[in-house]
Order: sequence, then C-alpha cells, then structure tokens
Amino acid sequence: SYELTQPPSVSVSPGQTATITCSGDKLGDNYACWYQQKPGQSPVLVIYQNTKRPSGIPERFSGSNSGNTATLTISGTQAMDEADYYCQAWDSSTGDVFGTGTKVTVL
Amino acid sequence: EVQLVESGGGLVQPGGSLRLSCAASGFAFSSYWMSWVRQTPGKGLKWVANIKKDGSEKYYVDSVKGRFTISRDNAKNSLYLQMNSLRAEDTAVYYCARASGSYLARDYWGQGTLVTVSS
Repeated sequence: SYELTQPPSVSVSPGQTATITCSGDKLGDNYACWYQQKPGQSPVLVIYQNTKRPSGIPERFSGSNSGNTATLTISGTQAMDEADYYCQAWDSSTGDVFGTGTKVTVL
Repeated sequence: EVQLVESGGGLVQPGGSLRLSCAASGFAFSSYWMSWVRQTPGKGLKWVANIKKDGSEKYYVDSVKGRFTISRDNAKNSLYLQMNSLRAEDTAVYYCARASGSYLARDYWGQGTLVTVSS
C-alpha cells in the first residue's frame, strides 16, 4: 500500500521558516494537500493542488511538490502556527492517503 | 456558512453496528463529493471512504471494505456511514468532510463524532 512519510516533529523560532516534508513514491506525479490541526480541533485545509492556498489562509503558508517529496513551508512562523500538519494525496491503488503527521513547535 | 454536523457515535461492543450521520448546510450538497476520515485519539488522520456527488461511485480503505457502507441522501443534505462488524481498531473520532475540486481537497470538516468499540 502507498505510504506518505513525514518527520514526527519540527521546531522553529518565531519569525523563522518552518519546512515540513512529505515523502512518497513518485508523489510529484500526484497533487498534494496539507492540513493543519490544532489540539481539540478539526483539521483545516491550508494548501491544495500542491501550491494553492484556500481563501483565508495567510500568505506565509506555501507548498511545492516534485519528485518524491512534497513540502509545506511556513515563512515568518507565528505562535499561532503551532499545530500538527498532515499531507495527503490520492494513490490509484490505495485510495486517499494521509501522511504520518508532523508536530510543529514554535519555541 | 458551510456547516457539517456529525452524529451517531457512541460505545458499541465488538461485532456490533453503528450508523453515523452528517448533516450538511450552507452549500449545494449534491454538487460535492463527500468523505469520511477517522482519527484514533492521539494519532494521525486516516481516510475511510469517499462518495461521488450522486452516490454512483464509492471508494473505501481496504480495512473497512465489506464492513462499512457510505451513502448519501441529497434530498436531505445528509451523508451516512453504516458500520458493521465493528472491531476495537475502529475506535476513533469520525469526521465527515466536503471534498472540493477535481482532486478532492477536503475544504470543510465537521467537528467529529467519537466511536468506541469495547466490551
């Protein structure tokens, strides 16, 4: 079955850039989404179709996808960005797959 | 305002059944694919099932095939998940989510309903 692997945790200082990777076989051949989930809350879509931001999502969130890796970048990270982040993509044999999740800590 | 409200969760014994519902409002329900996604407490998200706008196509994760059935009633703006032969590993918060665009980005999520499978 298809798997998407993320680092368990990423730490970043306020105002710095956080980079979260999502690795999967030929992931760049598919579109990736990214979701933010804060404790006790439902997930929120922050990036879709690799690079697009839904309405209301700050410009500091950006995405890319090439080869075997999709990347979510948070520029000028703020304390409010502390959350779990999940990538997601569709695989023709497995169906929808979510990544393992990354906890972003703003120190 | 888009709203998705799940209901029907609870405690059920192994081997039992449960039917989850998701009431949708604030958008043209029949124009969107819909999904169920679950999350074991303290763990990650796992896709469960998708259903096409008119209900003509349904997709499931392997672990629930033959046990779970996704369905919808567009006249009632409602999504359902019939869960049979429940196992302890099905214990999770179940979210219903709207899937948008050609590549089904989940742009709205409900608050979730907890299903606990235990004797």
